[in-house]
Amino acid sequence: GEDVEQSLFLSVREGDSSVINCTYTDSSSTYLYWYKQEPGAGLQLLTYIFSNMDMKQDQRLTVLLNKKDKHLSLRIADTQTGDSAIYFCAEDYTGGFKTIFGAGTRLFVKA
Amino acid sequence: EPEVTQTPSHQVTQMGQEVILRCVPISNHLYFYWYRQILGQKVEFLVSFYNNEISEKSEIFDDQFSVERPDGSNFTLKIRSTKLEDSAMYFCASSVGLAVPEQFFGPGTRLTVL
Repeated sequence: GEDVEQSLFLSVREGDSSVINCTYTDSSSTYLYWYKQEPGAGLQLLTYIFSNMDMKQDQRLTVLLNKKDKHLSLRIADTQTGDSAIYFCAEDYTGGFKTIFGAGTRLFVKA
Repeated sequence: EPEVTQTPSHQVTQMGQEVILRCVPISNHLYFYWYRQILGQKVEFLVSFYNNEISEKSEIFDDQFSVERPDGSNFTLKIRSTKLEDSAMYFCASSVGLAVPEQFFGPGTRLTVL
């Protein structure tokens, strides 16, 4: 079935790296995504990775994709208090007409 | 920078009433989506829309729901007879096309059914 699993909480100290993990089910997904949601706000696309890649780096963000294990991770280097938010992993189905989200990982950054 | 807008920001309605949630996608986008997020829960896909028809819908999107693009700019979600469990944040999104996967989300409409 369609399911994306994430751990619910992560707490890190300011300046440390954060790693948020996700597992997904559809091996035919073309893209996998990381979205950020700040309190009371909508969803903001942080980054995405094409399914034939295994790594993508974008400034402080590193996405790792393990297709064999259907595992996706987001690493945030030098985590700041402004990074405190909920991070959603998502994958596309049916060629992009449908996106399935995980439950979100709430990241707490302690000063 | 162009953005997706949604109105109203908050809608309160009585159970059994019809509601229409409105969205204005980014003007050159061709694909449109509705999602909902019940408080504290995951974002759930409802429906995608392209070329004036539904492309994909979830099990949540039953006969009580409908979508429409009544003119060149608006994209609406109608719930015919609201239930308490329809209370949620409803997000509209749009994208240029499937080859460019980024979906731009609106700020959401909070629907409260009493």
